Amino acid sequence: GENVEQHPSTLSVQEGDSAVIKCTYSDSASNYFPWYKQELGKRPQLIIDIRSNVGEKKDQRIAVTLNKTAKHFSLHITETQPEDSAVYFCAAESYGQNFVFGPGTRLSVLP
Amino acid sequence: KAGVTQTPRYLIKTRGQQVTLSCSPISGHRSVSWYQQTPGQGLQFLFEYFSETQRNKGNFPGRFSGRQFSNSRSEMNVSTLELGDSALYLCASRFGSDRAGANVLTFGAGSRLTVL
Repeated sequence: GENVEQHPSTLSVQEGDSAVIKCTYSDSASNYFPWYKQELGKRPQLIIDIRSNVGEKKDQRIAVTLNKTAKHFSLHITETQPEDSAVYFCAAESYGQNFVFGPGTRLSVLP
Repeated sequence: KAGVTQTPRYLIKTRGQQVTLSCSPISGHRSVSWYQQTPGQGLQFLFEYFSETQRNKGNFPGRFSGRQFSNSRSEMNVSTLELGDSALYLCASRFGSDRAGANVLTFGAGSRLTVL
């Protein structure tokens, strides 16, 4: 079955710097890759996603890149702000199968 | 439109008891998935139901079971509770069919279970 690895497990950056979180997946049939943000005490919320027919997607300060050949995808956050502090989960899914989540990255943005 | 609703939000049980959690998906969503979240363990997949049938199942013991009703509402049950079952149980829904945007998973706020 699918296996998703995520690195780093914790990440601290200065406010205004960029943050990058990387995930790798094992199942070449996976074709949908979302990223979720979970603030303390709240539910995971989708922040950006990418499908396998696209190499990059941007939404304001957030971008995701996908390398299907290498089976890895990354989340990029630019100009980080304190409200970006949260746990971020990547996931992989192929149609009809369940989502497999990475173990999460705790991002701390220091003022 | 209303989001994914989970009840109860908090509950305390003792070892050996059983518990039933409920999840009402977003209107029109036919797929409901359940996840267990514990500190340091991320989101562990329990099972997914689609049109009242279990479509996928994770690696949890048979004490964990679920079902889905014709209105897409889902319940999960844990029997013979153990201390290690203390966790946040998250439900998530999606359309589940082969249409644009069908994959997008929306989570409920979760049911926090404490087993004493």
